[in-house]
Amino acid sequence: AQSVTQPDIHITVSEGASLELRCNYSYGATPYLFWYVQSPGQGLQLLLKYFSGDTLVQGIKGFEAEFKRSQSSFNLRKPSVHWSDAAEYFCAVAPLSGNTPLVFGKGTRLSVIA
Amino acid sequence: DTAVSQTPKYLVTQMGNDKSIKCEQNLGHDTMYWYKQDSKKFLKIMFSYNNKELIINETVPNRFSPKSPDKAHLNLHINSLELGDSAVYFCASSQAVQETQYFGPGTRLLVL
Repeated sequence: AQSVTQPDIHITVSEGASLELRCNYSYGATPYLFWYVQSPGQGLQLLLKYFSGDTLVQGIKGFEAEFKRSQSSFNLRKPSVHWSDAAEYFCAVAPLSGNTPLVFGKGTRLSVIA
Repeated sequence: DTAVSQTPKYLVTQMGNDKSIKCEQNLGHDTMYWYKQDSKKFLKIMFSYNNKELIINETVPNRFSPKSPDKAHLNLHINSLELGDSAVYFCASSQAVQETQYFGPGTRLLVL
């Protein structure tokens, strides 16, 4: 069965520092890949997605993610973190067909310190 | 203008009661979902409907019953509420099962 692993439960970075959140998936074929963000007390918002094509994907709020097939990874990056980026981040995968919905990782909580 | 809306936003109730949560989407999507998010932020899918038909029904107690009166609405009814039902329940929708899901703001349920 497909699975998504976010190895880091909690990450703390300084404001202005760079950020990388890790995501690895286990699936027979390249699935669709997503990153969502959940701010405190809010619902989930899509940051970016990869379906095909260029493996470096640009998203909202200055985030980007790179799909690496050889590593089954889809890591999220941001060159300079802002205090407002403090939130829970979820990686998700979906197969290319069928009725199987998104499978979410367990999330990584990002804290930003001054 | 809200794409996916849920009511109520907060729900505090006693054990044993029956309650409903409503969800509406104005995105014209064919597929809708209910998720449960526990205190550790883990998201678990409960149900999915496509064009008013149930397509995903995960291992959920039968006290939970989804109802989709039309493509734009997916309601969740919970009978005989238990303490362990306390969580945040999210509704979501997408054009197709594999595509981007758009989430509602969540309903925070507290069972006392």
